[in-house]
Amino acid sequence: KQEVTQIPAALSVPEGENLVLNCSFTDSAIYNLQWFRQDPGKGLTSLLLIQSSQREQTSGRLNASLDKSSGRSTLYIAASQPGDSATYLCAVPPSGGGNKLTFGTGTQLKVEL
Amino acid sequence: GAVVSQHPSRVICKSGTSVKIECRSLDFQATTMFWYRQFPKQSLMLMATSNEGSKATYEQGVEKDKFLINHASLTLSTLTVTSAHPEDSSFYICSAGTPSGGIGTDTQYFGPGTRLTVL
Repeated sequence: KQEVTQIPAALSVPEGENLVLNCSFTDSAIYNLQWFRQDPGKGLTSLLLIQSSQREQTSGRLNASLDKSSGRSTLYIAASQPGDSATYLCAVPPSGGGNKLTFGTGTQLKVEL
Repeated sequence: GAVVSQHPSRVICKSGTSVKIECRSLDFQATTMFWYRQFPKQSLMLMATSNEGSKATYEQGVEKDKFLINHASLTLSTLTVTSAHPEDSSFYICSAGTPSGGIGTDTQYFGPGTRLTVL
């Protein structure tokens, strides 16, 4: 059974700092990995999707990397802003293919002025 | 981009009543819809997968008679929490999938969630 873990569980940083969020998964036979953002009491917003054949994806100040062999992904946020404050979730589909996502435990980020 | 809506966004009900939550894909047809629940400060847990016109597939430990799912069309799925109890209070999120053309997975678009509080 796939297990997805995120470290740290919570993170508080001053504005402007660069930061890294970590995601680990136990079954490396994944097709892709996705990073989401969730604001309090809201649904999920997809940030980045990395295919298994890719090593990284970039969108603005966000950069996600994927190392399948080690079962890890990182989300790098450059020049953090208070508006980045949210919970960040990574998710992977089942190793055999299909559509059911297994979500990580989440990292709650707070960027302070 | 694809938009998924949920209604209601928030509901408070008395213990023992049933509550229906709607999930709609507004500008695309969803081959599959997923229902998740999320407890405070926890991650999303998949409850069930529904395909239009067929019975939903429930995850282990989810009572199908408790959480009734109907996927009547390619744009609408409903989750009915029957005889709700305080322990059913949670944040329920749906997602709608559409084939991405890639191998293995559809692209999922998430609704804004429904906060259920059972008194």
